Amino acid sequence: NAGVMQNPRHLVRRRGQEARLRCSPMKGHSHVYWYRQLPEEGLKFMVYLQKENIIDESGMPKERFSAEFPKEGPSILRIQQVVRGDSAAYFCASSPQGGAGANVLTFGAGSRLTVL
Amino acid sequence: DQQVKQNSPSLSVQEGRISILNCDYTNSMFDYFLWYKKYPAEGPTFLISISSIKDKNEDGRFTVFLNKSAKHLSLHIVPSQPGDSAVYFCAHNNDMRFGAGTRLTVKP
Repeated sequence: NAGVMQNPRHLVRRRGQEARLRCSPMKGHSHVYWYRQLPEEGLKFMVYLQKENIIDESGMPKERFSAEFPKEGPSILRIQQVVRGDSAAYFCASSPQGGAGANVLTFGAGSRLTVL
Repeated sequence: DQQVKQNSPSLSVQEGRISILNCDYTNSMFDYFLWYKKYPAEGPTFLISISSIKDKNEDGRFTVFLNKSAKHLSLHIVPSQPGDSAVYFCAHNNDMRFGAGTRLTVKP
């Protein structure tokens, strides 16, 4: 029973390129969260999705960032025209039940984006 | 507007002693608070939770206390071990926002 799978683990992009980060939730989990951790900072919430729906994107930057969780396949966090300030670790987490109950999140190992 | 705050960025304790990590919150509408632990280059892992109807939850060396009147919760680790050295985050289940984290260092 694989946990939350994120890939790539490491991604290097030049300024202006696009970055796509993928997240496969745990089996049976239909809720996905994305977080960003900048160097020496905490975990900042970005977006919460269910299958085919964005539930809360209040933490997403207004431009260049988008997320999706299609009916089939992994969740994708897409960053267009990357800048050096986008360099960070991006963590995905999943849960089976959204906001109900304790809503324990299972995290992936993260994707570390470096923008040159 | 950060709803959970961890005001101590770091804490250092001696092995065998108690570690106390603190978290304050502003929104009283929650069902659970959760603590996560994070090692470098890894994702956070769930540690312990507490329901809003309780004031204490214990799991082995880890105990979480909830003081609703003060809107404050704390995580106690006793006895602390070097393997506990990590960053600890608190979060509440309503919106899954995390505090800024406290880096715990347990010295042998």
